[in-house]
Amino acid sequence: DGGITQSPKYLFRKEGQNVTLSCEQNLNHDAMYWYRQDPGQGLRLIYYSQIVNDFQKGDIAEGYSVSREKKESFPLTVTSAQKNPTAFYLCASGTSGDRDTQYFGPGTRLTVL
Amino acid sequence: GNSVTQMEGPVTLSEEAFLTINCTYTATGYPSLFWYVQYPGEGLQLLLKATKADDKGSNKGFEATYRKETTSFHLEKGSVQVSDSAVYFCALSVTRGAQKLVFGQGTRLTINP
Repeated sequence: DGGITQSPKYLFRKEGQNVTLSCEQNLNHDAMYWYRQDPGQGLRLIYYSQIVNDFQKGDIAEGYSVSREKKESFPLTVTSAQKNPTAFYLCASGTSGDRDTQYFGPGTRLTVL
Repeated sequence: GNSVTQMEGPVTLSEEAFLTINCTYTATGYPSLFWYVQYPGEGLQLLLKATKADDKGSNKGFEATYRKETTSFHLEKGSVQVSDSAVYFCALSVTRGAQKLVFGQGTRLTINP
């Protein structure tokens, strides 16, 4: 079954702790993306990666870090430098052969206490 | 710059009513256009897309036509159901060395029986 998985679905952390969100895809897509969604708002791009071992900052990268060591995986770390980390985080993947279409995972809701 | 403006919500309709959610865009070049749907607590699902002017995307009774002359991609459905209640996002692709999506703010749709 092809798709994108994100884990965990809900995550609680204390203020000041780093936390890593998992994103895995078996769609053989080259590109992967992380978005943040706040209540009643659209999606904002945090980081994206077009190829293994390469990634670029999106519109709101401050306080976040990523790695892309494998094609299938694109974990996002929310660091203690992120001032307001409580949000819904969405991972997506895509390929240029599909006219820029991105496919999304189910999301992780992070709550910082 | 590139931007997407959606009809402000929330939108509330009765079952079997006709639906229109307006979406207009500003873009350089010739973007692909998308509608995504998000059900409560879930990630985004691709609903339909159109890749060039005058193309019509359709899926599950929803339709949208890529209108270059009015820079619009309005979502329509002839007869909505309670199960269509969700948040709908219009988006455009920006491909300048990377496949990036720009999203509208989303429109919350509620269908009453």
